[in-house]
Amino acid sequence: LAKTTQPISMDSYEGQEVNITCSHNNIATNDYITWYQQFPSQGPRFIIQGYKTKVTNEVASLFIPADRKSSTLSLPRVSLSDTAVYYCLVGAGANNLFFGTGTRLTVIP
Amino acid sequence: GAVVSQHPSRVICKSGTSVKIECRSLDFQATTMFWYRQFPKQSLMLMATSNEGSKATYEQGVEKDKFLINHASLTLSTLTVTSAHPEDSSFYICSARDMGANTEAFFGQGTRLTVV
Repeated sequence: LAKTTQPISMDSYEGQEVNITCSHNNIATNDYITWYQQFPSQGPRFIIQGYKTKVTNEVASLFIPADRKSSTLSLPRVSLSDTAVYYCLVGAGANNLFFGTGTRLTVIP
Repeated sequence: GAVVSQHPSRVICKSGTSVKIECRSLDFQATTMFWYRQFPKQSLMLMATSNEGSKATYEQGVEKDKFLINHASLTLSTLTVTSAHPEDSSFYICSARDMGANTEAFFGQGTRLTVV
């Protein structure tokens, strides 16, 4: 199982773009990269998933370099409500989803 | 996205009693459901994986006789905490995956268990 490494915490001002990078050096060929957001006392919420290159949806972008050993979640123009813990997970198919430490993002007014 | 409903959202029970937590996939069929436990300020810890119609697979260090998991149908899995003790107080979260491969997992809203 690919282990992930993320910064423990990040601070950002409102309106700025936030980039959170995740390292997954031993990612397997069939692994996908998925990011989740978690607010206190709630279950994680799916943000975005990708395999390679760039994926964009209405809330975020995911950048994955050619070697796939890392990925970067980009949140455009964050607001106070984006304060949460963000988890990067790597896996495939029905494999178990193991959570790393996550990144605690604090958005400052 | 798909919806996973977890019930109850919070429960308080006396030490020594058992508590059952339900996890339902409301608009999709889930062959596999996952159960996690999360302590304050910590990440989610995978407890077990349940597959419909078969025995659950428990992670190392998780007592299968204490945390009973049943996955009787493609839309329902239950976790029963037996003979609960205060140290079992935690936030329990279930997750379900659609039957397709490489799809994202959807999580329930979690259950806050307090054992007094």
